[in-house]
Amino acid sequence: DADVTQTPRNRITKTGKRIMLECSQTKGHDRMYWYRQDPGLGLRLIYYSFDVKDINKGEISDGYSVSRQAQAKFSLSLESAIPNQTALYFCATGGGGTYEQYFGPGTRLTVT
Amino acid sequence: GEDVEQSLFLSVREGDSSVINCTYTDSSSTYLYWYKQEPGAGLQLLTYIFSNMDMKQDQRLTVLLNKKDKHLSLRIADTQTGDSAIYFCAESKLDSNYQLIWGAGTKLIIKP
Repeated sequence: DADVTQTPRNRITKTGKRIMLECSQTKGHDRMYWYRQDPGLGLRLIYYSFDVKDINKGEISDGYSVSRQAQAKFSLSLESAIPNQTALYFCATGGGGTYEQYFGPGTRLTVT
Repeated sequence: GEDVEQSLFLSVREGDSSVINCTYTDSSSTYLYWYKQEPGAGLQLLTYIFSNMDMKQDQRLTVLLNKKDKHLSLRIADTQTGDSAIYFCAESKLDSNYQLIWGAGTKLIIKP
């Protein structure tokens, strides 16, 4: 089984709809991250969390919110989706004193 | 400032060596990473190098670090079709709150 899972893997939604992307991990890591990937722009950090009570904004948090329901679960919400939020979204985890991050398979989101 | 730069594309013939380059601007980096993203998948940690090292070799992969020029490279010997992917360079810093600074990714295209 994968260490970091994301649901759904693909989603098409309409402008103005609320949508939630979910991430679960079995690595026992404290840190969790949400990124979006756009062609030619690499990865941009949306939010990150060090534990259930520690949530931090990343580079591009506007239009997004997150919830850390448990150490193993970190969800990303788009309150009112807009077409320029069409992208590939990745969840990642990290733990201990190392800086490496471990990624889920991604969610491809299309907002029409 | 913080910036990690990579060329967006590299095309090589099957069997040749691939060299993917990355430049960074911050001399306080601690570790430098190479991640691989295969089509439809998440990012996978390939290898990393500590900032006080010059070279690291792991089977077909060789990482070279030139601290003076702030230049990092990933050499893949005997490039195979399975090496087709996007390769991301990333750096970490001690005061970065466990965030990684990402390059935009280099898409490696293998010609038969």
